[in-house]
Amino acid sequence: KAGVTQTPRYLIKTRGQQVTLSCSPISGHRSVSWYQQTPGQGLQFLFEYFSETQRNKGNFPGRFSGRQFSNSRSEMNVSTLELGDSALYLCASSRWGTTDEQYFGPGTRLTVT
Amino acid sequence: AQRVTQPEKLLSVFKGAPVELKCNYSYSGSPELFWYVQYSRQRLQLLLRHISRESIKGFTADLNKGETSFHLKKPFAQEEDSAMYYCALIWGNTPLVFGKGTRLSVIA
Repeated sequence: KAGVTQTPRYLIKTRGQQVTLSCSPISGHRSVSWYQQTPGQGLQFLFEYFSETQRNKGNFPGRFSGRQFSNSRSEMNVSTLELGDSALYLCASSRWGTTDEQYFGPGTRLTVT
Repeated sequence: AQRVTQPEKLLSVFKGAPVELKCNYSYSGSPELFWYVQYSRQRLQLLLRHISRESIKGFTADLNKGETSFHLKKPFAQEEDSAMYYCALIWGNTPLVFGKGTRLSVIA
């Protein structure tokens, strides 16, 4: 079966701009989680969506938001970008949630200049 | 707050030597623990989880509630084991909490 896909794979944005990242989960998976990965902080949980509802949220400012569509595809948005938002953003899908095996996408590398 | 600590950023071992990747967690309940692995140019993927008690690619991990540890072990390291290893924890419906990872380098 096709794996988790993320688009775009690379992005360069300027401080103050906003960005939208997309994640398509494995067919049949209803849970989508987002993580930020940086060399200093490692993998940090952003949020989880299940059946279009946010089920969990990590400790990130309100500039980070997300949504999930009826086909389980998910988007995350970061507004008013800061230099510190430069990171690899990973999306993971699973059937029921984070207690299930998480299938990760390749990530979107965001660089903020 | 739940915390997962992997004390070694880098671990280098010779091929055929035993491997132990350390993971300690700070939580007094009964969390569920996982090891995820990322091979070079591949995606992060689940290696094993403590409730399944499986041995995957020769790796095993035992949950020690007294020491709050979940160390990953393999008796004989192979070159293809070189990768980044992440220990992760979950309790109830809380999100996955990852350690910062240990890079394992197996030297031929």
